[in-house]
This record gives sequence, structure tokens and C-alpha cells, in this order.
Amino acid sequence: AQSVAQPEDQVNVAEGNPLTVKCTYSVSGNPYLFWYVQYPNRGLQFLLKYITGDNLVKGSYGFEAEFNKSQTSFHLKKPSALVSDSALYFCAVSLYNNNDMRFGAGTRLTVKP
Amino acid sequence: GAVVSQHPSWVICKSGTSVKIECRSLDFQATTMFWYRQFPKQSLMLMATSNEGSKATYEQGVEKDKFLINHASLTLSTLTVTSAHPEDSSFYICSARDRYLSGANVLTFGAGSRLTVL
Repeated sequence: AQSVAQPEDQVNVAEGNPLTVKCTYSVSGNPYLFWYVQYPNRGLQFLLKYITGDNLVKGSYGFEAEFNKSQTSFHLKKPSALVSDSALYFCAVSLYNNNDMRFGAGTRLTVKP
Repeated sequence: GAVVSQHPSWVICKSGTSVKIECRSLDFQATTMFWYRQFPKQSLMLMATSNEGSKATYEQGVEKDKFLINHASLTLSTLTVTSAHPEDSSFYICSARDRYLSGANVLTFGAGSRLTVL
């Protein structure tokens, strides 16, 4: 079965600095990879996904992620962090049709002014 | 864009009572909906897959008699927590998949329902 690891529980960055939230995956097959963001007491909001094609995926709110097959990673990045980016970020992986989407444990991003 | 509505957002109930949570796809039809449970500071755990017109598929370790799922229409799935106990207190989130989109399409998530059992 597929799985996702987010090695960092917490990431702290200063506003204006670049941010990276790490994600590695394990699947037997071609992965479909996703990033979601969750604000307090809210559901998940879709940021971006990788299905196939260009390894660099651009998503909502200026976020992007790079699929690295050799390192089985899909790190989330943003060139310049905003305080409003502070939230809980989840990486997820599935095979084919989302019927079995697995989420990472989540990484809490805090952007300080 | 696609919207999924969950109701209620917050619910407090007494131990032993049953609580129903609704998940509605507002502008699309969903043959498949998913129910997740999220404990504080933890990830989402898939509880079950809800299929319109058929029985739900439960993940291992999830009691189907305790967490009743009904997907009676293409826009509505309900989760009923029966005989709730304090340990059932959690944040429950649903997601829905547009029936006309195939492959690795994006799921649309509801805003979640926080259940507190006293």
C-alpha cells in the first residue's frame, strides 16, 4: 500500500523568506501526489497535484512542488512566505483514482513577521 | 468551483446518543464520497468509502455498526455515530469525487464537523 512521510512536525520561517515543506512517498506503481492546506477547524483546501509530465508543479497561492522520482520526494515550496501561509499542510498520495488516498501526518507551518 | 457542504459544523451530545453528520456536494454529483477522522494534531484517517446506492466500504478497524454510512443520493452521504462515547469525540471530514471526472482528479473536501461527546 502507498504511504507518505512528512519528516517535520513544524516548520518556522520568517516572512519574505523561502519556505520548504518536505514530503517523501512510497508506492508500488506510479504515484499521484497532492498537497493540501488546512486552516483551524476547517476542511482541506487543494493546493496542487502531480500526475504526470513536468516535474515542477505550480499551484494555488504561489506554491509549487517538485516531483523527484529518484528521491521519491514531493517537497512543497514557496519563494517568499507570507504570515497568512501559516497553517497545517498535508501531503497525500494515491494510485489512479483517489479511492485510496493516504495522507502524511501533516506539517505545521508558522510564518513570523 | 466544486463545493462540499458539511452539517453540522459543531455538535455536542451526551454519551449514549446518536449523531448524524451530512455531507453534500452542492454543484456536482458524487457517486463516491469519503469519510475521514482527524484527531488533534494528527493526520486524516480514512474511515470508509461511501458509494451511492450500495454499502459503504470500511477501513480495517472501523466499526461499521458504530459508524453508519448512508449514500442515498448522488449529492448526499450521511455518517451516523451511534451510541456515541467520549472517545468518539473528533473532527470528521468528508470529501467527494465528481462522477464525471475520471483518473486522479482532485477530491473536494467539506469544512469538517467537530463532534464533542460529553
